Amino acid sequence: DVKVTQSSRYLVKRTGEKVFLECVQDMDHENMFWYRQDPGLGLRLIYFSYDVKMKEKGDIPEGYSVSREKKERFSLILESASTNQTSMYLCASSFPRQGRQRGNEQFFGPGTRLTVL
Amino acid sequence: GQNIDQPTEMTATEGAIVQINCTYQTSGFNGLFWYQQHAGEAPTFLSYNVLDGLEEKGRFSSFLSRSKGYSYLLLKELQMKDSASYLCAVRSGGHAGNMLTFGGGTRLMVKP
Repeated sequence: DVKVTQSSRYLVKRTGEKVFLECVQDMDHENMFWYRQDPGLGLRLIYFSYDVKMKEKGDIPEGYSVSREKKERFSLILESASTNQTSMYLCASSFPRQGRQRGNEQFFGPGTRLTVL
Repeated sequence: GQNIDQPTEMTATEGAIVQINCTYQTSGFNGLFWYQQHAGEAPTFLSYNVLDGLEEKGRFSSFLSRSKGYSYLLLKELQMKDSASYLCAVRSGGHAGNMLTFGGGTRLMVKP
């Protein structure tokens, strides 16, 4: 079974703090993703990584950065947390689409509910 | 741009059939996914369509019409445990061919 784990289920931080959210997958997936999920807005992509040290901006990258130093680990960084970054953060991973017959569905971690006070 | 629409909420009765629709307007298309998400949990994969037609998987079926930009998820013999949000997501091309754009999700409530 694919397993995607996230470092915390719940996190409370103060405005201005630097926040690290960690994600690890054990299926040797090339692709990893960070989303945030807010009521009424659905899942929105923050950043995507298709290989070690490679990244692409998603729909809402402002205020976030990412790090992919190892294939299995993808970190989301909030340099200076703000209250509007209070949200559920979901990490996902998948095989790349090219050369595969499967739909290469994304597998999600359990999520981190971040509250910024 | 990407635009994916699905109803916000639906209610159905245990044992019945329900159809959840999804319409999309995207720049590029390389497949459509349906995910199920129970409250407080991660989304889990349900189905994938890339060609027109119906894909059946047990009580769940998914249909795609690429020319109409339309998909639906059909749930038969509804059970209480089917109460969840159902997310429609479209995959586009290039490196973005690995990225999904999600609709807002449809919250389904199954009543006894």
